[in-house]
Amino acid sequence: DQQVKQNSPSLSVQEGRISILNCDYTNSMFDYFLWYKKYPAEGPTFLISISSIKDKNEDGRFTVFLNKSAKHLSLHIVPSQPGDSAVYFCAASPNYGGSQGNLIFGKGTKLSVKP
Amino acid sequence: DADVTQTPRNRITKTGKRIMLECSQTKGHDRMYWYRQDPGLGLRLIYYSFDVKDINKGEISDGYSVSRQAQAKFSLSLESAIPNQTALYFCATSDLPFDEQFFGPGTRLTVL
Repeated sequence: DQQVKQNSPSLSVQEGRISILNCDYTNSMFDYFLWYKKYPAEGPTFLISISSIKDKNEDGRFTVFLNKSAKHLSLHIVPSQPGDSAVYFCAASPNYGGSQGNLIFGKGTKLSVKP
Repeated sequence: DADVTQTPRNRITKTGKRIMLECSQTKGHDRMYWYRQDPGLGLRLIYYSFDVKDINKGEISDGYSVSRQAQAKFSLSLESAIPNQTALYFCATSDLPFDEQFFGPGTRLTVL
């Protein structure tokens, strides 16, 4: 069973508008959440993270919201730019035993920002 | 120079062959990871190592082995490659448990 779910394989947004990427998780032991961006032929690069003790973290155009009761997080990009077009992966990290710090990834959402 | 390098970047091999993928890092991190990415499946953890003497299986370790030759080097081996091991393989490193992981550029492996 998937522990981290990104139910939208793709998203298309107009330049300048808001992009909202969603992620759901099933394991209440997840303590830390991250978003990675991946361009073709490159490795994923870290974008933004949030600890389970917070409900919002902001970094420039990127904001991550966490709703622990719903086991849901979202990434908001405002305003969206064509260079944001990439695959976005949601990842979660458990806080128990030897798995502490390991990442469990969702399947990714491909964002296309049209000029 | 890149902080996390992977060699080779592309490899085509035949079923039954032994293959080694290599990862080197200059970030001085103790923690290193190997992932594979398949279309539509995201990244899945194969093996991870928290230091030279500590190696652990991840979600999908069957058919793979690893060697941590030094803090900076972590190799992934396929002892007898099979076609369903065709995938993109990524190496990653991190410093502390909840720090971001830094990924290499990936190795595209095709097993015929």
